[in-house]
This record gives sequence, structure tokens and C-alpha cells, in this order.
Amino acid sequence: KNQVEQSPQSLIILEGKNCTLQCNYTVSPFSNLRWYKQDTGRGPVSLTIMTFSENTKSNGRYTATLDADTKQSSLHITASQLSDSASYICVVSAIGGSQGNLIFGKGTKLSVKP
Amino acid sequence: KAGVTQTPRYLIKTRGQQVTLSCSPISGHRSVSWYQQTPGQGLQFLFEYFSETQRNKGNFPGRFSGRQFSNSRSEMNVSTLELGDSALYLCASSAPGQYEQYFGPGTRLTVT
Repeated sequence: KNQVEQSPQSLIILEGKNCTLQCNYTVSPFSNLRWYKQDTGRGPVSLTIMTFSENTKSNGRYTATLDADTKQSSLHITASQLSDSASYICVVSAIGGSQGNLIFGKGTKLSVKP
Repeated sequence: KAGVTQTPRYLIKTRGQQVTLSCSPISGHRSVSWYQQTPGQGLQFLFEYFSETQRNKGNFPGRFSGRQFSNSRSEMNVSTLELGDSALYLCASSAPGQYEQYFGPGTRLTVT
């Protein structure tokens, strides 16, 4: 069964610290993996999209890694800011081309405290 | 370029009523997908439309339906509302051949 598991479920860190969020998936055949940031009450915003051949991708202070062999991805946030407080959702796409093949994780809720 | 817009942003309905939500995609995007988001289940796929045709459908009852117009705008309808339909309904659009999806701000539906 295609699944995406994220850990931890929630995380509290102090402003300025780094953190890493994990995503494990069993989706097959794999097409791409996406990380989204969702502020409370808002729609998700894409941070990165990685295909099979990419193993790292950065977007400012956000760096995503992908190990397609172990089917694991991580999102590393450097020098966290209060505005990083949000839910981070890992989404894996199975080959098929349409958005209906997306498998969503339940997200990690990150709280950054001053 | 304007983003994805959804109307209304908030809605309160009573059990048994029906509701129609609207989504206007980014100009040039022909694919529109709808999702239901609840705290317990996360984001769940409802359906995807491309060029006025439903391309995919998620595992939701027939009370949930949708359509897409020739200008790519999309509507979803939920009939005979149940308490469990209370959720944030999100739509997302994407350009042909692109992985990237752009989400709207969502419609918060509360069923009492």
C-alpha cells in the first residue's frame, strides 16, 4: 500500500536553532517527492520538488534530501525564524502524471519559540 | 500573476443542506485538483479536472461532486451535508506537464 509517514508529529525549537524533519515513503513506482509549508488557515506552499535523480535541493534556509534507495527524505531548516512556525507536509507522487497520484503525509507541526 | 482564488473563504451550513465551493486557477493552468483537509486525516484527494473532464477521483462518497468550466474555473458541490464534512477544502492548479501545484487559501466549511 502506498504510504507516506512523517516524523516527528510535532516539534518545538528555539529561534535560531536548526531542525530536521523526516519523511519515509513506500510509494511505488516513484515519480517525485515534494515538501510543502502550510501556515495555519492557509493553503500549502511548495518548498521543493525532487525527482528520482536528485538527492538534494535547497530553497533559502530549507534544504531537502532524498535517498531513493531507502525511500527516505529529510527537510533541514537552518537558523530557524518565528515565521517558520507551520506544518510541513511531505508529498510523494507515483508515476502516472496526474495530481491524483499524490500520496500525502500527515505533516510535522513545527513551533519556533523566541 | 494572480494566484489561485477560492470563494467563499468561510461557510457555515446545517446538516442536510448542500454547498457549492468555487475555485479560480492561475491563468493558463488547466488542471484543478480538490482536497479535503481535516486535523485527523490530513490532506485527502477529492478529484482532479483537466480541460473540463474529471481525470481522477478520490475515495469519497457520491455526495461530493465537481465540474470544470471552459475557462478552467472549477466548482465542487457537497450535497446532504454531514457533521464530518466540516473541513478546510483546498483547490490547487497546475500548468500542463508541470509537477508544481499551486494551492488556494481554502474554504473553511463548518457543518452544524
